[in-house]
Amino acid sequence: QLQLQESRPGLVKPSETLSLTCTVSGGSISSGNYYWGWIRQPPGKGLEWIGSIYYSGSTYYNPSLKSRVTISVDTSKNQFSLKLTSVTAADTAVYYCARQRGSYYGEVDYWGQGTLVTVSS
Amino acid sequence: DIQMTQSPSSLSASVGDRVTITCRTSQSISRYLNWYQQKPGKAPKLLIYAASSLQSGVPSRFSGSGSGTDFTLTISSLQPEDFATYYCQQSYTTPQTFGPGTKVDIK
Repeated sequence: QLQLQESRPGLVKPSETLSLTCTVSGGSISSGNYYWGWIRQPPGKGLEWIGSIYYSGSTYYNPSLKSRVTISVDTSKNQFSLKLTSVTAADTAVYYCARQRGSYYGEVDYWGQGTLVTVSS
Repeated sequence: DIQMTQSPSSLSASVGDRVTITCRTSQSISRYLNWYQQKPGKAPKLLIYAASSLQSGVPSRFSGSGSGTDFTLTISSLQPEDFATYYCQQSYTTPQTFGPGTKVDIK
């Protein structure tokens, strides 16, 4: 059974960089036809796609966040990572890593459990 | 970006009720519409993809229909474990976008 697990940075100070890693187990991140993405959900609000990566390293970002986001992949560790720079309180959210089928805007069939990141001094 | 709306935003229903949730998009997306269920403190779960295809392991009381800009999620007989928030998502183009959610609670 495929499992995704986000790392837990917890608290990040305003203007600093949020860094998260997703570890994939029970399957290979190098499997074709799947993209690996990050989606966030502010407390009590809806879902927002941040960006996705293919195992080859091709990246795709939401234009609303593109200037601040970097997603990378390490196939040897079966992991992919998110960096979000210059964070503000508006970036406080539960961050989910996810597997998407078929394209980088495809349906999400596997989700991590989510990790709450709070931006506060 | 494609804008998503859902109606109602919330509803109260009883076990055994038939429940229908509507999702509308700001432009035609063919059948590239997915539905998710989210319970408090949990990640969303894929229920329906491509407007009407049931995800593996999802009970058959869930069904989806629609194309173009209008879509529906139907729960034929609401069960206690179905009380949750439901989101639609368009996978027609980037950036993928989600609806604001419909909360289904107990009457």
